[in-house]
Amino acid sequence: GESVGLHLPTLSVQEGDNSIINCAYSNSASDYFIWYKQESGKGPQFIIDIRSNMDKRQGQRVTVLLNKTVKHLSLQIAATQPGDSAVYFCAENFPRAGGYQKVTFGTGTKLQVIP
Amino acid sequence: DGGITQSPKYLFRKEGQNVTLSCEQNLNHDAMYWYRQDPGQGLRLIYYSQIVNDFQKGDIAEGYSVSREKKESFPLTVTSAQKNPTAFYLCASGVAGVDTQYFGPGTRLTVL
Repeated sequence: GESVGLHLPTLSVQEGDNSIINCAYSNSASDYFIWYKQESGKGPQFIIDIRSNMDKRQGQRVTVLLNKTVKHLSLQIAATQPGDSAVYFCAENFPRAGGYQKVTFGTGTKLQVIP
Repeated sequence: DGGITQSPKYLFRKEGQNVTLSCEQNLNHDAMYWYRQDPGQGLRLIYYSQIVNDFQKGDIAEGYSVSREKKESFPLTVTSAQKNPTAFYLCASGVAGVDTQYFGPGTRLTVL
């Protein structure tokens, strides 16, 4: 079936270290992936995206890697800061009839940054 | 200042009452969405609309209703038929045919 999941529900990282958050997806037809950051009591915030024709995309302090062979997605955060503490979701999009992109969200990984 | 807003931030309802959650966006987005978020679960789609005066059921539409009379607004009504309405509700918008969705701050609904 269609599913998006995360390997670790909670990740604790020392401030200044790099963080890696992983995500597995099951639908090989998915062509677009997004990482969101959600702070407590707030709505998800777009971080970075990647299309299926790419393997890697970099933003400011964040990098997303896509391995289509094993259907795996990861988010790397460089020099993790206390403000990075939040829950991180991955989402996969795959096209459906009528032009609507079906989006499936993962359950989220909580990133805790230790000062 | 462009964005997507939801109101109220917190909402309390007695059992048997209908309640309407507001979602407004000034991003000129055609598409709007309503999601429900429960602890330990991914976001679940309730309803979505790709254009004014049109909307479609999502995965968990039972007990909910929506309207899309204006491009900027997509209110969600939680009816008394919804058996377990206590949750965090998120509205999102995006350009129709483009994949990225942008979220509002959410409304936390508690049924007393």
